[in-house]
Amino acid sequence: GESVGLHLPTLSVQEGDNSIINCAYSNSASDYFIWYKQESGKGPQFIIDIRSNMDKRQGQRVTVLLNKTVKHLSLQIAATQPGDSAVYFCAENGGTSYGKLTFGQGTILTVHP
Amino acid sequence: SAVISQKPSRDICQRGTSLTIQCQVDSQVTMMFWYRQQPGQSLTLIATANQGSEATYESGFVIDKFPISRPNLTFSTLTVSNMSPEDSSIYLCSISGREDTQYFGPGTRLTVL
Repeated sequence: GESVGLHLPTLSVQEGDNSIINCAYSNSASDYFIWYKQESGKGPQFIIDIRSNMDKRQGQRVTVLLNKTVKHLSLQIAATQPGDSAVYFCAENGGTSYGKLTFGQGTILTVHP
Repeated sequence: SAVISQKPSRDICQRGTSLTIQCQVDSQVTMMFWYRQQPGQSLTLIATANQGSEATYESGFVIDKFPISRPNLTFSTLTVSNMSPEDSSIYLCSISGREDTQYFGPGTRLTVL
């Protein structure tokens, strides 16, 4: 697969640990946020989303936290597994309603057995 | 959820040539988008492919370099024209889903020599 490690922040964890991936966004007009997972050689895969009228949303093993005051988004992965190793991107809609998304820089998560 | 396919999955091209990338969806969708992901980078929106009208391009992208077609609600093409090595990237199509969510195809990995 292609190299994706040259410019992105990295997070290394042990299998079974909890992971927290952070994202700062800049557009205060954004009211919808998405986390994507991109495995090597694949397109981004939707994980979880949150609207600005919420500050927390939970899925299966994942939780997204939104702090609008400091424009910060985080993704928590519980009991991280080797299959969670990937690049994780946050995306924001800039307050638009026609689907345009702006992506964050991404974080490489590596899970060690 | 809709199945999105892209052709080709990868290609190696000579500078000065053009490549057309196809995006096919197995159901009708309102909006389709094209993104570029340069090596080790995040995703950048190139344009929104509008059915029956000209695509809407983002700042820094022009129709002469990246002509886009959207003949119907299930299909779109992106052409990378007069390629140079700087065009080496992953090109991704996405579709609008529920609310403002976008779902991505597997990507086309382009290398320009």
